[in-house]
Amino acid sequence: DAGVIQSPRHEVTEMGQEVTLRCKPISGHDYLFWYRQTMMRGLELLIYFNNNVPIDDSGMPEDRFSAKMPNASFSTLKIQPSEPRDSAVYFCASSFVLAGGLAYNEQFFGPGTRLTVL
Amino acid sequence: QQPVQSPQAVILREGEDAVINCSSSKALYSVHWYRQKHGEAPVFLMILLKGGEQKGHDKISASFNEKKQQSSLYLTASQLSYSGTYFCGTELNTGNQFYFGTGTSLTVIP
Repeated sequence: DAGVIQSPRHEVTEMGQEVTLRCKPISGHDYLFWYRQTMMRGLELLIYFNNNVPIDDSGMPEDRFSAKMPNASFSTLKIQPSEPRDSAVYFCASSFVLAGGLAYNEQFFGPGTRLTVL
Repeated sequence: QQPVQSPQAVILREGEDAVINCSSSKALYSVHWYRQKHGEAPVFLMILLKGGEQKGHDKISASFNEKKQQSSLYLTASQLSYSGTYFCGTELNTGNQFYFGTGTSLTVIP
Protein backbone atom coordinates (compact mmCIF):
# COMPACT_ATOMS: atom_id res chain seq x y z
CA ASP A 1 0.00 0.00 0.00
CA ALA A 2 1.20 3.54 -0.74
CA GLY A 3 0.31 4.79 2.70
CA VAL A 4 -1.83 7.82 3.46
CA ILE A 5 -1.81 10.25 0.55
CA GLN A 6 -2.37 13.98 0.94
CA SER A 7 -2.62 16.71 -1.64
CA PRO A 8 -1.47 19.28 -2.25
CA ARG A 9 1.83 19.08 -0.36
CA HIS A 10 2.16 22.84 -0.32
CA GLU A 11 -0.49 25.50 -0.70
CA VAL A 12 0.00 29.24 -0.74
CA THR A 13 -3.12 31.35 -0.89
CA GLU A 14 -4.35 34.79 -0.06
CA MET A 15 -6.55 35.72 2.83
CA GLY A 16 -10.22 35.23 2.03
CA GLN A 17 -9.69 32.44 -0.49
CA GLU A 18 -11.17 28.98 -0.13
CA VAL A 19 -8.71 26.18 0.55
CA THR A 20 -9.40 22.46 0.10
CA LEU A 21 -7.06 19.81 1.44
CA ARG A 22 -7.43 16.23 0.33
CA CYS A 23 -6.65 12.89 1.90
CA LYS A 24 -6.74 9.28 0.79
CA PRO A 25 -6.47 6.90 3.75
CA ILE A 26 -4.93 3.44 3.73
CA SER A 27 -7.33 0.93 2.23
CA GLY A 28 -9.21 -1.02 4.88
CA HIS A 29 -8.73 1.52 7.65
CA ASP A 30 -11.87 2.44 9.59
CA TYR A 31 -10.75 5.72 11.11
CA LEU A 32 -9.58 8.95 9.56
CA PHE A 33 -8.18 11.90 11.50
CA TRP A 34 -7.36 15.48 10.58
CA TYR A 35 -4.68 17.28 12.60
CA ARG A 36 -3.20 20.75 12.50
CA GLN A 37 0.36 21.43 13.67
CA THR A 38 1.83 24.80 14.55
CA MET A 39 4.75 25.83 16.70
CA MET A 40 2.46 27.64 19.10
CA ARG A 41 -0.27 25.04 19.55
CA GLY A 42 1.50 21.80 18.69
CA LEU A 43 -0.48 18.92 17.20
CA GLU A 44 -4.22 19.46 17.47
CA LEU A 45 -6.90 16.93 16.55
CA LEU A 46 -9.49 18.75 14.46
CA ILE A 47 -11.97 16.01 13.60
CA TYR A 48 -12.12 12.29 13.12
CA PHE A 49 -14.34 9.90 11.18
CA ASN A 50 -15.29 6.29 11.76
CA ASN A 51 -16.61 4.43 8.73
CA ASN A 52 -17.06 7.77 6.93
CA VAL A 53 -19.17 9.25 9.73
CA PRO A 54 -17.85 12.27 11.68
CA ILE A 55 -17.56 11.23 15.32
CA ASP A 56 -15.95 14.18 17.06
CA ASP A 57 -15.46 17.61 15.53
CA SER A 58 -14.92 19.46 18.79
CA GLY A 59 -11.42 20.38 17.68
CA MET A 60 -12.56 22.28 14.60
CA PRO A 61 -11.60 25.86 15.43
CA GLU A 62 -14.59 27.63 13.94
CA ASP A 63 -17.29 27.53 11.31
CA ARG A 64 -14.83 28.44 8.60
CA PHE A 65 -13.54 24.88 8.82
CA SER A 66 -15.49 21.92 7.47
CA ALA A 67 -14.59 18.31 6.71
CA LYS A 68 -16.27 15.60 4.71
CA MET A 69 -15.69 11.96 3.97
CA PRO A 70 -17.98 10.98 1.08
CA ASN A 71 -16.53 7.46 0.86
CA ALA A 72 -13.98 5.20 2.50
CA SER A 73 -11.14 6.31 0.25
CA PHE A 74 -11.43 10.10 0.29
CA SER A 75 -11.75 12.99 2.70
CA THR A 76 -11.51 16.76 2.41
CA LEU A 77 -10.83 19.56 4.84
CA LYS A 78 -12.05 22.92 3.65
CA ILE A 79 -11.32 26.37 4.99
CA GLN A 80 -13.54 29.17 3.75
CA PRO A 81 -12.58 31.97 4.01
CA SER A 82 -8.96 31.39 4.92
CA GLU A 83 -7.05 33.67 7.30
CA PRO A 84 -3.31 34.11 7.97
CA ARG A 85 -3.69 32.40 11.36
CA ASP A 86 -4.74 29.23 9.54
CA SER A 87 -1.17 28.84 8.30
CA ALA A 88 0.05 25.48 9.56
CA VAL A 89 0.87 21.95 8.51
CA TYR A 90 -2.26 19.86 8.19
CA PHE A 91 -1.92 16.11 8.64
CA CYS A 92 -4.33 13.38 7.78
CA ALA A 93 -3.97 10.04 9.53
CA SER A 94 -5.80 6.74 9.28
CA SER A 95 -6.17 3.81 11.62
CA PHE A 96 -7.99 0.54 12.10
CA VAL A 97 -9.81 -1.01 15.02
CA LEU A 98 -8.26 -3.86 16.94
CA ALA A 99 -10.38 -6.63 18.38
CA GLY A 100 -11.99 -5.19 21.48
CA GLY A 101 -12.84 -1.91 19.78
CA LEU A 102 -9.96 0.22 20.99
CA ALA A 103 -10.97 3.67 19.87
CA TYR A 104 -7.49 4.86 18.99
CA ASN A 105 -5.04 2.43 17.51
CA GLU A 106 -1.74 3.09 15.75
CA GLN A 107 -2.26 6.04 13.45
CA PHE A 108 -0.55 6.21 10.09
CA PHE A 109 0.13 9.79 9.10
CA GLY A 110 0.25 11.25 5.64
CA PRO A 111 3.13 13.57 4.64
CA GLY A 112 1.09 16.66 5.47
CA THR A 113 0.03 19.79 3.60
CA ARG A 114 1.91 22.97 4.43
CA LEU A 115 -0.60 25.80 4.15
CA THR A 116 0.48 29.42 3.98
CA VAL A 117 -2.18 32.10 3.97
CA LEU A 118 -0.85 35.53 3.04
CA GLN B 1 -6.79 18.58 28.34
CA GLN B 2 -3.45 18.54 26.55
CA PRO B 3 -0.96 16.34 28.40
CA VAL B 4 2.24 18.01 29.53
CA GLN B 5 5.59 16.55 28.60
CA SER B 6 8.90 17.04 30.31
CA PRO B 7 11.56 17.94 29.61
CA GLN B 8 10.79 20.27 26.72
CA ALA B 9 14.17 19.59 25.18
CA VAL B 10 17.14 17.36 25.85
CA ILE B 11 20.56 16.92 24.26
CA LEU B 12 22.34 13.61 24.60
CA ARG B 13 25.60 12.12 23.47
CA GLU B 14 25.44 8.83 21.63
CA GLY B 15 25.11 5.97 24.08
CA GLU B 16 23.48 8.00 26.84
CA ASP B 17 20.02 7.30 28.24
CA ALA B 18 16.99 9.58 28.42
CA VAL B 19 13.56 9.59 30.00
CA ILE B 20 10.62 11.58 28.65
CA ASN B 21 7.58 12.04 30.84
CA CYS B 22 3.94 12.62 29.93
CA SER B 23 1.40 13.75 32.48
CA SER B 24 -2.35 14.24 32.17
CA SER B 25 -4.87 15.90 34.44
CA LYS B 26 -7.58 13.48 33.28
CA ALA B 27 -8.06 9.75 33.75
CA LEU B 28 -6.55 7.90 30.84
CA TYR B 29 -7.51 4.79 28.90
CA SER B 30 -4.36 4.60 26.80
CA VAL B 31 -1.16 6.39 26.01
CA HIS B 32 0.52 6.48 22.62
CA TRP B 33 4.06 7.51 21.76
CA TYR B 34 5.15 8.97 18.43
CA ARG B 35 8.39 10.36 17.06
CA GLN B 36 8.52 13.12 14.49
CA LYS B 37 11.66 14.05 12.59
CA HIS B 38 12.04 17.56 11.25
CA GLY B 39 9.90 18.14 8.19
CA GLU B 40 8.29 14.72 8.39
CA ALA B 41 5.09 13.23 9.74
CA PRO B 42 4.83 11.63 13.19
CA VAL B 43 5.62 7.93 13.28
CA PHE B 44 4.03 5.55 15.75
CA LEU B 45 6.23 3.93 18.40
CA MET B 46 3.89 2.13 20.77
CA ILE B 47 0.55 2.07 22.63
CA LEU B 48 0.10 1.33 26.32
CA LEU B 49 -3.26 0.45 27.80
CA LYS B 50 -4.24 1.01 31.41
CA GLY B 51 -2.94 -1.80 33.58
CA GLY B 52 0.55 -0.55 34.29
CA GLU B 53 2.14 -2.49 31.47
CA GLN B 54 5.50 -1.74 30.09
CA LYS B 55 6.26 -2.10 26.44
CA GLY B 56 9.33 -1.81 24.36
CA HIS B 57 11.10 -2.54 21.19
CA ASP B 58 14.80 -2.37 20.58
CA LYS B 59 16.17 0.09 23.13
CA ILE B 60 13.00 2.18 23.47
CA SER B 61 10.46 1.22 26.10
CA ALA B 62 7.62 2.89 27.97
CA SER B 63 5.53 2.51 31.09
CA PHE B 64 2.04 3.69 31.99
CA ASN B 65 0.77 4.39 35.48
CA GLU B 66 -2.93 5.02 35.11
CA LYS B 67 -3.37 5.88 38.78
CA LYS B 68 -1.00 8.80 38.39
CA GLN B 69 -2.15 9.47 34.82
CA GLN B 70 1.46 9.41 33.75
CA SER B 71 3.59 7.67 31.18
CA SER B 72 7.33 7.62 30.66
CA LEU B 73 9.34 6.82 27.56
CA TYR B 74 12.79 5.34 28.12
CA LEU B 75 15.53 5.56 25.51
CA THR B 76 18.65 3.61 26.34
CA ALA B 77 22.02 3.70 24.63
CA SER B 78 20.75 6.46 22.36
CA GLN B 79 21.66 6.51 18.69
CA LEU B 80 21.86 9.43 16.27
CA SER B 81 18.68 8.14 14.63
CA TYR B 82 16.75 8.77 17.85
CA SER B 83 16.86 12.52 17.27
CA GLY B 84 13.48 14.13 16.74
CA THR B 85 10.49 15.38 18.63
CA TYR B 86 8.64 12.86 20.77
CA PHE B 87 4.93 13.20 21.40
CA CYS B 88 2.72 11.32 23.75
CA GLY B 89 -0.92 10.97 22.79
CA THR B 90 -3.56 10.32 25.40
CA GLU B 91 -6.99 8.78 25.08
CA LEU B 92 -9.28 9.72 27.93
CA ASN B 93 -11.33 7.25 29.94
CA THR B 94 -14.43 9.15 28.91
CA GLY B 95 -13.79 8.11 25.34
CA ASN B 96 -13.76 9.84 21.98
CA GLN B 97 -11.11 12.32 22.99
CA PHE B 98 -7.48 12.16 22.00
CA TYR B 99 -4.82 14.77 22.71
CA PHE B 100 -1.20 14.97 21.74
CA GLY B 101 1.26 16.25 24.32
CA THR B 102 3.38 19.36 24.15
CA GLY B 103 6.33 17.49 22.65
CA THR B 104 9.92 16.87 23.69
CA SER B 105 12.77 17.72 21.36
CA LEU B 106 15.56 15.17 21.62
CA THR B 107 18.92 15.71 19.96
CA VAL B 108 21.60 13.04 19.96
CA ILE B 109 25.09 14.24 19.14
CA PRO B 110 28.18 12.16 18.33
